[in-house]
Amino acid sequence: QVQLVQSGAEVKKPGASVNISCKASGYSSTKYAIHWVRQAPGQRLEWMGWINDGNRNTRYSQKFQGRVTFTRDTSASTAYVELSSLRPEDTAVYYCAREGPSYNFDDWGQGTLVTVSS
Amino acid sequence: QSVLTQPASVSGSPGQSITISCTGTNSDVGSYNLVSWYQQHPGKAPKLVIYEGNKRPSGVSNRFSGSKSGNAASLTISGLQGEDEADYSCCSYAGGSAWVFGGGTKLTVL
Repeated sequence: QVQLVQSGAEVKKPGASVNISCKASGYSSTKYAIHWVRQAPGQRLEWMGWINDGNRNTRYSQKFQGRVTFTRDTSASTAYVELSSLRPEDTAVYYCAREGPSYNFDDWGQGTLVTVSS
Repeated sequence: QSVLTQPASVSGSPGQSITISCTGTNSDVGSYNLVSWYQQHPGKAPKLVIYEGNKRPSGVSNRFSGSKSGNAASLTISGLQGEDEADYSCCSYAGGSAWVFGGGTKLTVL
């Protein structure tokens, strides 16, 4: 059974960075890209980008370009997102999601709440 | 990429059918048959209910169906049940290895 388990909630000050992990199990993680999606309180889902595994290619949404970095540790079946220069409007639940074979997100992590506050 | 347009809310009584629209552009919804829909209960992660516009993942009720016409997609839920009360979001592949989500629709079962 596919599972994506994310790291716990974080509280950060403006200007800091946050690093969230997403550990995959129940499937061969080398075959699927991992996407990151965030959701601010009461707001819509927002696509941030993806990282595939084979060649570590990444694609970032223009909105986050320059502030976000996706990495993967294949041996640990774990993907990471680092978001820097945090601002209060980055307060959100951050999800990792597996890209299915049909350009969809067929499995999701449980979400990680990041709170940015001084 | 711009946000796909969805109604903020829809409602229906148990047993009725409802339809949620999702309007994009000819750069996303109109160019690809790759619209997916996600159900999200409060405090929970999204769950895939429709992909490729009209296909259901294993385990999703056949009360959920999807369609697409031009730059617009829609999700229909028939035989509404209380457990269907949730937020629903559409998502489309937008080319250039990018995806775009809709604004989300809150479904209330009266």
